[in-house]
Amino acid sequence: IAGITQAPTSQILAAGRRMTLRCTQDMRHNAMYWYRQDLGLGLRLIHYSNTAGTTGKGEVPDGYSVSRANTDDFPLTLASAVPSQTSVYFCASSTGSSGSDEQFFGPGTRLTVL
Amino acid sequence: KNQVEQSPQSLIILEGKNCTLQCNYTVSPFSNLRWYKQDTGRGPVSLTIMTFSENTKSNGRYTATLDADTKQSSLHITASQLSDSASYICVVRGGSTLTFGKGTMLLVSP
Repeated sequence: IAGITQAPTSQILAAGRRMTLRCTQDMRHNAMYWYRQDLGLGLRLIHYSNTAGTTGKGEVPDGYSVSRANTDDFPLTLASAVPSQTSVYFCASSTGSSGSDEQFFGPGTRLTVL
Repeated sequence: KNQVEQSPQSLIILEGKNCTLQCNYTVSPFSNLRWYKQDTGRGPVSLTIMTFSENTKSNGRYTATLDADTKQSSLHITASQLSDSASYICVVRGGSTLTFGKGTMLLVSP
């Protein structure tokens, strides 16, 4: 089934630990995105990639890094997790064309940093 | 600064009733406006997209309107069902950037 998957579904992590959230899409979309969603703040863009090999910073990039080695995968890494990174993380993809492109979201990863 | 404001923050309605959600934006230049539905524990899913020249667009029981002059959009839900309980997010594209509203949480009660 075509779509976008994320792993893990949820994770509890000790502060200071390193964590990579995985995201894979099989729609051959050029653009991919990472968001965090917090109560009362809505979705906020962390990092994005317009095409394989390129990445860019979003609204809240500090403490996070991404890579885009190929079209399908877009992992998000927390080098040293802090409690303020407790959130629900959504990966999304789109065709990347300007104008009316729709973002397709994954099911999310619920991360708790203690 | 680009902003998208949604109202109300939350809403409870009885099953079968209609409701209207509001989205006001200050995004320039305006490209399009999209409404997403986010079920609890799931990722958002697009309901409809409005471009500058469109005033009204329907998707089943969902009808979106756009007034580009006043920079307002609404999402009207007709004959609500329990499955309409969700968060509804307004997203406005201004050039290459997207600005997200914080969403309206709708609960449809039996």
